[in-house]
Amino acid sequence: GQNIDQPTEMTATEGAIVQINCTYQTSGFNGLFWYQQHAGEAPTFLSYNVLDGLEEKGRFSSFLSRSKGYSYLLLKELQMKDSASYLCAVTDGDYKLSFGAGTTVTVRA
Amino acid sequence: DVKVTQSSRYLVKRTGEKVFLECVQDMDHENMFWYRQDPGLGLRLIYFSYDVKMKEKGDIPEGYSVSREKKERFSLILESASTNQTSMYLCASSSGEVSYNEQFFGPGTRLTVL
Repeated sequence: GQNIDQPTEMTATEGAIVQINCTYQTSGFNGLFWYQQHAGEAPTFLSYNVLDGLEEKGRFSSFLSRSKGYSYLLLKELQMKDSASYLCAVTDGDYKLSFGAGTTVTVRA
Repeated sequence: DVKVTQSSRYLVKRTGEKVFLECVQDMDHENMFWYRQDPGLGLRLIYFSYDVKMKEKGDIPEGYSVSREKKERFSLILESASTNQTSMYLCASSSGEVSYNEQFFGPGTRLTVL
């Protein structure tokens, strides 16, 4: 089975940094995805990690530690448009994704 | 750009009705998925398909069935809608080339069952 935990809500100020943690306990692991979902819209792909370490992509970075079952998504220089839900998802290598409940990030001016 | 479309953005049905949700993708993807999304529960997989006429149960298949007669189209069927099936339904597709390919999502159908 899959158990994926992430905080429900986070609030930060424009221009700040926010770190969204995700811990997982899964029967199989072949990588971890982060998706962004604005209210009323489809989730869109942000990042994929399969090896330990940090992947940087512009203002967003994602980190993975396989031994600890832990990942985080780091959002830097927050902008109002970053207000959204961020979904952590794990794949076991069988095409399927198991999702956490999502973290709603609110960016305040 | 990959495009996944769903037949309706909003749908209101009555208890006991048969409901069809349609999903079409234009990128020749092998894999297609149906999820429902509920507050506090995240996305939960209902059914998925690796290829035409193939289907596999996800985590919550009860009360649902699916059909994939053509590669680009994946239908979700609620045989007899119930109020606890009121939810946001999301369709997704991915390439079958490797098992870790990202999934591309449609805009969702918000279904209300009265």
